[in-house]
Amino acid sequence: ILNVEQSPQSLHVQEGDSTNFTCSFPSSNFYALHWYRWETAKSPEALFVMTLNGDEKKKGRISATLNTKEGYSYLYIKGSQPEDSATYLCAFGTYKYIFGTGTRLKVLA
Amino acid sequence: GAGVSQTPSNKVTEKGKYVELRCDPISGHTALYWYRQSLGQGPEFLIYFQGTGAADDSGLPNDRFFAVRPEGSVSTLKIQRTERGDSAMYLCASSLIQGAGNEQFFGPGTRLTVL
Repeated sequence: ILNVEQSPQSLHVQEGDSTNFTCSFPSSNFYALHWYRWETAKSPEALFVMTLNGDEKKKGRISATLNTKEGYSYLYIKGSQPEDSATYLCAFGTYKYIFGTGTRLKVLA
Repeated sequence: GAGVSQTPSNKVTEKGKYVELRCDPISGHTALYWYRQSLGQGPEFLIYFQGTGAADDSGLPNDRFFAVRPEGSVSTLKIQRTERGDSAMYLCASSLIQGAGNEQFFGPGTRLTVL
């Protein structure tokens, strides 16, 4: 059974702090790793699609890295803002995504 | 352009009733997916359509669940004889094509509550 794990489950940070989360996935038969941001009452929003070992992608203050050999991806948020408050999900797989349980981030003003 | 839409946004029903959940994918997207997120869990795959046909329905939990996509666009997830354990957020997604690394675009979900 393929398992995707995310940590921490939740965290609170102060506005301006930088933070990071971890997504662990099976290192064999890697296809792609996806990061989503999901705000309450909205659609999950795609952040990154990562396919190559060593991939590093950036969108504004958010960036992600990928290590397929050891089976993990990090998501970094630099200078957190209250609008970054959301659940961050990672998903592994081809068309049949296997999701982690998410990291719930709360940025305090 | 318009994203994936789902109706209703919330559905409350009684145990034993039949419900239908609708998904309108992004225009031109040939692949459509249904997921279910129960409390405290990540979304779990239910079924995947390529065009009109269900290419993979291995995630449907039992034969009370059924989904259709008759014209290759809108899809309906149907749940018969609902049970309290069916209460969850039902998410729909679509993608331009199916394949590794292809991005799925999600709708806002339908929150189903079975009393």
